[in-house]
Amino acid sequence: QKEVEQNSGPLSVPEGAIASLNCTYSDRGSQSFFWYRQYSGKSPELIMSIYSNGDKEDGRFTAQLNKASQYVSLLIRDSQPSDSATYLCAVNYILTGGGNKLTFGTGTQLKVEL
Amino acid sequence: DTGVSQDPRHKITKRGQNVTFRCDPISEHNRLYWYRQTLGQGPEFLTYFQNEAQLEKSRLLSDRFSAERPKGSFSTLEIQRTEQGDSAMYLCASSSGQRVTSPLHFGNGTRLTVT
Repeated sequence: QKEVEQNSGPLSVPEGAIASLNCTYSDRGSQSFFWYRQYSGKSPELIMSIYSNGDKEDGRFTAQLNKASQYVSLLIRDSQPSDSATYLCAVNYILTGGGNKLTFGTGTQLKVEL
Repeated sequence: DTGVSQDPRHKITKRGQNVTFRCDPISEHNRLYWYRQTLGQGPEFLTYFQNEAQLEKSRLLSDRFSAERPKGSFSTLEIQRTEQGDSAMYLCASSSGQRVTSPLHFGNGTRLTVT
């Protein structure tokens, strides 16, 4: 079983719709989670972090965490064509000295269609 | 904040050659990371520095790979005797030490092609 699993997609949604991206993880002790957006040929860009069960909202983005179900999701409201990208879910592990090792899923490709 | 800078952006080399990549982190960040990403996969952790100390290395980092951060500022990643399987995007990231969960900021990466 992979440590972080995502559906690779592509997930196609019409412009203005809500895009729902999902991620499951295997380590029940994981404490912090991140969503990164990656455009083709570019580096990952941090969108949101979430540490506590429940929802966290930032503009059009909402991250949801359910530690009991080992499930993280990202909702994108009012999807725009510029949101078309690969969305990477990452689970954080604390390293020696306090550094962070992110374990990424394979990413979900989102396509927002006009 | 000028972001994480990586050089070169692209590198094409022949199998068996050595290559070296450079990363300049965000200036106030004391933590530096190297990741590798192949097509269709998420980034994979390679190694981590806190200041000049290399504190963690993935088993993905074979003995052909070496990373340094000599003065706790920029870092280099060297690959000796490159193989075609080394073809990938090599990403550098940095973070501050202010919080345990300080987010990683990635550079634009160095794309390596081994022919």
